Amino acid sequence: RKEVEQDPGPFNVPEGATVAFNCTYSNSASQSFFWYRQDCRKEPKLLMSVYSSGNEDGRFTAQLNRASQYISLLIRDSKLSDSATYLCVVNRGTGGFKTIFGAGTRLFVKA
Amino acid sequence: EAQVTQNPRYLITVTGKKLTVTCSQNMNHEYMSWYRQDPGLGLRQIYYSMNVEVTDKGDVPEGYKVSRKEKRNFPLILESPSPNQTSLYFCASSLSVGGSYSPLHFGNGTRLTVT
Repeated sequence: RKEVEQDPGPFNVPEGATVAFNCTYSNSASQSFFWYRQDCRKEPKLLMSVYSSGNEDGRFTAQLNRASQYISLLIRDSKLSDSATYLCVVNRGTGGFKTIFGAGTRLFVKA
Repeated sequence: EAQVTQNPRYLITVTGKKLTVTCSQNMNHEYMSWYRQDPGLGLRQIYYSMNVEVTDKGDVPEGYKVSRKEKRNFPLILESPSPNQTSLYFCASSLSVGGSYSPLHFGNGTRLTVT
């Protein structure tokens, strides 16, 4: 079982739709959590950090549930430019500092 | 401009010919790391460094070496490349803040093909 798991998708949605991604992590020592966005063959870029209280940045809302060990990302009013792969990322400090990436969820937003 | 610079962007080489991929950051970040990305497997950590002269293995270190002689540079060395090291490589850095780390800043990537 992978330490960070995501549904690979692809999610195909029309413009304006709301789409939600989930991610689960297995290591309870995980300390910090992020969503990154990656466009085809390019470097990942930070979309947002994820806090226990939940946080929102414009059309994007992230949630963390430590008890159930899952993280979610909600995208409202999808735009064509949201088409990308979304990576769930977990940092843990046990045995050295490590960043663990999920394999990513592909999103296609269509006109 | 704050950035992580990797070179080269593209590299085609033959089995067994030693190569080095350079990585440099201008943000005075303590933490630097190398990842490889393969289809269906996501990004996997090769090596990381928490500061100068401090390096440690990630999840897939076999066949790779690193060094951290200066804070800004973290080269990845393949002493004897093999075809299974054909991949997309990313270098990244982050800032240590009170025992935790800021999000990663990534370089543009190096696409390596070993024939």
